[in-house]
Amino acid sequence: EPEVTQTPSHQVTQMGQEVILRCVPISNHLYFYWYRQILGQKVEFLVSFYNNEISEKSEIFDDQFSVERPDGSNFTLKIRSTKLEDSAMYFCASSEGQKIYGYTFGSGTRLTVV
Amino acid sequence: SQQGEEDPQALSIQEGENATMNCSYKTSINNLQWYRQNSGRGLVHLILIRSNEREKHSGRLRVTLDTSKKSSSLLITASRAADTASYFCATVLSGSARQLTFGSGTQLTVLP
Repeated sequence: EPEVTQTPSHQVTQMGQEVILRCVPISNHLYFYWYRQILGQKVEFLVSFYNNEISEKSEIFDDQFSVERPDGSNFTLKIRSTKLEDSAMYFCASSEGQKIYGYTFGSGTRLTVV
Repeated sequence: SQQGEEDPQALSIQEGENATMNCSYKTSINNLQWYRQNSGRGLVHLILIRSNEREKHSGRLRVTLDTSKKSSSLLITASRAADTASYFCATVLSGSARQLTFGSGTQLTVLP
């Protein structure tokens, strides 16, 4: 069964450093997303991406965050200057075209900011 | 309360029993989805129900949706130890493109 692949599975970074989280969505999916889950809290929406541009973003997704689809397969989330409160599990997801189906999530990247 | 609140927060049952989890939400939705999350792992999509549907089945799963009460339930029949996980409802609001708003989840433990 097709999977969404995320790398790395765990990233430790120092406060103020830039991190890039990587995702390979399912190849025929057209919509891509990033969500995060702070330990013990709800899964929160960050951003959705379609046709090479952001289609929706949440208040969490401020100027410190950016997304990119640098080639035909990867979808990245960049955090420019990490803060302690950015520590969370970050999930990438993708979904098919115009019809509404469930999303396929990756296994997540656990980001720890120290 | 916020969009997407599940109850109970935790549920412990014996293998073979049925498990019922409930979800309530506040605003109009396009669809409601249920996901499972095993400890420390990703979210697995279980079932999607559209706002104009009342009930859906998938294997041992049965989902109902009552838009007048703004609530949904997930029933897992004949539970197995492998069903132990956290279960989340997630809504796509009317007017939203595809953003999922997750609830806080129900931790289900199925005892062998």
